[in-house]
Amino acid sequence: ETGVTQSPTHLIKTRGQQVTLRCSSQSGHNTVSWYQQALGQGPQFIFQYYREEENGRGNFPPRFSGLQFPNYSSELNVNALELDDSALYLCASSSMDSTSTDTQYFGPGTRLTVL
Amino acid sequence: AQTVTQSQPEMSVQEAETVTLSCTYDTSESNYYLFWYKQPPSRQMILVIRQEAYKQQNATENRFSVNFQKAAKSFSLKISDSQLGDTAMYFCALVRGTYKYIFGTGTRLKVLA
Repeated sequence: ETGVTQSPTHLIKTRGQQVTLRCSSQSGHNTVSWYQQALGQGPQFIFQYYREEENGRGNFPPRFSGLQFPNYSSELNVNALELDDSALYLCASSSMDSTSTDTQYFGPGTRLTVL
Repeated sequence: AQTVTQSQPEMSVQEAETVTLSCTYDTSESNYYLFWYKQPPSRQMILVIRQEAYKQQNATENRFSVNFQKAAKSFSLKISDSQLGDTAMYFCALVRGTYKYIFGTGTRLKVLA
């Protein structure tokens, strides 16, 4: 069974640029959630995708957008980067069609630094 | 609004001893799930234990167990026979349905040799 993977591991961008982060869900999972974790804080929910449709969104501006592909992998796009976007971005996958629908399995994260 | 509070920013425990991490939460829902996740320095969030709110029996996973008090909205994690590899940030999380997790701010646990 393949776990959740994310790429890249680290990324450095400058203010105003755009970034795309990628996530491959665990085998058999059809749902991907994205979280932002600032230094010393708990993860904050950005949005969730289920079968290629957005299934819920947290309190993040529209410049945070996402996609889910037919193979259930996902992208997180952030436009017009701000210094406060510097954080660890976590992807988590789960399966809405199983008995353990609420258990999310996390990837290792992408560390984004905005200068 | 749903909230999760972890009131212990940092804790330490001697190897082989027992430690309890606290978590309180607030929700108006009757059916929800609670989790403890561990985040070591490698950054990856690892599921430690899961509890369904409708189950009165406390969940256990090897050395990890919870004390779930639904009326008090309390969900503490007990780690028995602490090991050096238990050193990590521990996050308590609340979720209803398959939607977003609400995480606490975490407790940094250090196991001392």
